[in-house]
Amino acid sequence: GENVEQHPSTLSVQEGDSAVIKCTYSDSASNYFPWYKQELGKRPQLIIDIRSNVGEKKDQRIAVTLNKTAKHFSLHITETQPEDSAVYFCAAWVTSGTYKYIFGTGTRLKVLA
Amino acid sequence: DTGVSQDPRHKITKRGQNVTFRCDPISEHNRLYWYRQTLGQGPEFLTYFQNEAQLEKSRLLSDRFSAERPKGSFSTLEIQRTEQGDSAMYLCASSLGGRDPLDEQFFGPGTRLTVL
Repeated sequence: GENVEQHPSTLSVQEGDSAVIKCTYSDSASNYFPWYKQELGKRPQLIIDIRSNVGEKKDQRIAVTLNKTAKHFSLHITETQPEDSAVYFCAAWVTSGTYKYIFGTGTRLKVLA
Repeated sequence: DTGVSQDPRHKITKRGQNVTFRCDPISEHNRLYWYRQTLGQGPEFLTYFQNEAQLEKSRLLSDRFSAERPKGSFSTLEIQRTEQGDSAMYLCASSLGGRDPLDEQFFGPGTRLTVL
C-alpha cells in the first residue's frame, strides 16, 4: 500500500546550523509533496511544497529537493533559529484511484540556542 | 475566523460511550478530510468527502466509526462504543478539491479525545 517513511525522528541542531529531513515514498504516481510544521498543541501548517516536475524549490531559509527516480524528497532549513523548533511532517499526494495525502511519521526538530 | 473549525476541542468520555465531533470547513471548499493523530505520529488518513459524497474510507476506520457530510458543508465523525485505543487527536482538513492538489489543505485545530 501507499507509504511515506521519514527520517530522522528527532533532530537537534545548534542555532545557525542547517537541518535536513528526508522522506521516501512508495507510490510512483505521487506528484505533489508538501511539508508541514506543527508546533506543540497547534494544527499542522504548510511551509513549503514541491511538484513532481520540479527538482528543487526555495523559500528564504527553507528548501525542498525531490528525486523522482529514487522516490525521495528532503527538507532543508538553513540558519536555523529557536522558533524553527517544532515537529515537521512530509506528505505525498496519492492519485492511484484516490486523492489523499499520506503523511510521514514526523521529525521533532530542536534548535539549541 | 474564516479557517477550519472543529467542535469540541476536547472530549473526555468513558469507555463504551458514543461521541460525535463536528468539523466546519472553509466555505466553498469541496473536499473535506478526517485524520487521526496520536502522540509522536503523523496524521493518519481516515476518510474524505468530495462535497457530500464519501469517496474513501481507510482500513483504520472500523465499523464503530461513521462520518457524514449531509449537505456538503459541515461534517460529523461519530465513534460508537469508544475504546481506550480511540484516544487521539482527530483532525479535520479542507481544500478546494479537484485533481490538482495545489489548492492547499487547511487543517482545523483538532478535537482531542480521551477515553477513560
